[in-house]
Amino acid sequence: QVQLQESGPGLVKPSQTLSLTCTVSGGSISSGGYYWSWIRQHPGKGLEWIGYIYYSGSTYYNPSLKSRVTISVDTSKNQFSLKLSSVTAADTAVYYCARERIAVAGTPFDYWGQGTLVTVSS
Amino acid sequence: EIVMTQSPATLSVSPGERATLSCRASQSVSSNLAWYQQKPGQAPRLLIYGASTRATGIPARFSGSGSGTEFTLTISSLQSEDFAVYYCQQYNNWPPRTFGQGTKVEIK
Repeated sequence: QVQLQESGPGLVKPSQTLSLTCTVSGGSISSGGYYWSWIRQHPGKGLEWIGYIYYSGSTYYNPSLKSRVTISVDTSKNQFSLKLSSVTAADTAVYYCARERIAVAGTPFDYWGQGTLVTVSS
Repeated sequence: EIVMTQSPATLSVSPGERATLSCRASQSVSSNLAWYQQKPGQAPRLLIYGASTRATGIPARFSGSGSGTEFTLTISSLQSEDFAVYYCQQYNNWPPRTFGQGTKVEIK
């Protein structure tokens, strides 16, 4: 059973960089076949896909956040990470990591982390 | 970017009754549509993919239909554990993956 777990600071100051890590267990990121995504949910709101990374390091980001987002992978630790720079209060959200299987037609997110709340405040 | 629009925003239903939720895509997503259930404080859980295929362990009272731009999630007889927020998501034209804004199913 694949499990994903987010970790990182729950409070970030405005203008600083938000950094989160997702640790994957029950499966290896480096086995391929999956995209590893970050998704966020503003309080009481819907879901916003931030971007994904493949084990090789190739990434794709949501154009709306692209200028501030970096996703990286550490296959030796079976982890992938999110950095979001120049944060404001509008970046306050629950951040989820999730997995989707790679397929020609695309697939849904089948495994999710439990989510971690990040608050941007001074 | 494909915009997903869900209706209604809130659906009030009595236990045992049927609930019908709608999701519309701004352009065709074929059958590449998923439904998720989210309860307070929890991550979304995959219910339906391919517009109509139940994910592993999902009860038969959940069913999905539609293709192209119009989709429906039906819960045939609402149980107490089904009161939650439901999201649709397209994975046809991507990136970015896009979600609907959600439908809250509440107890009437």
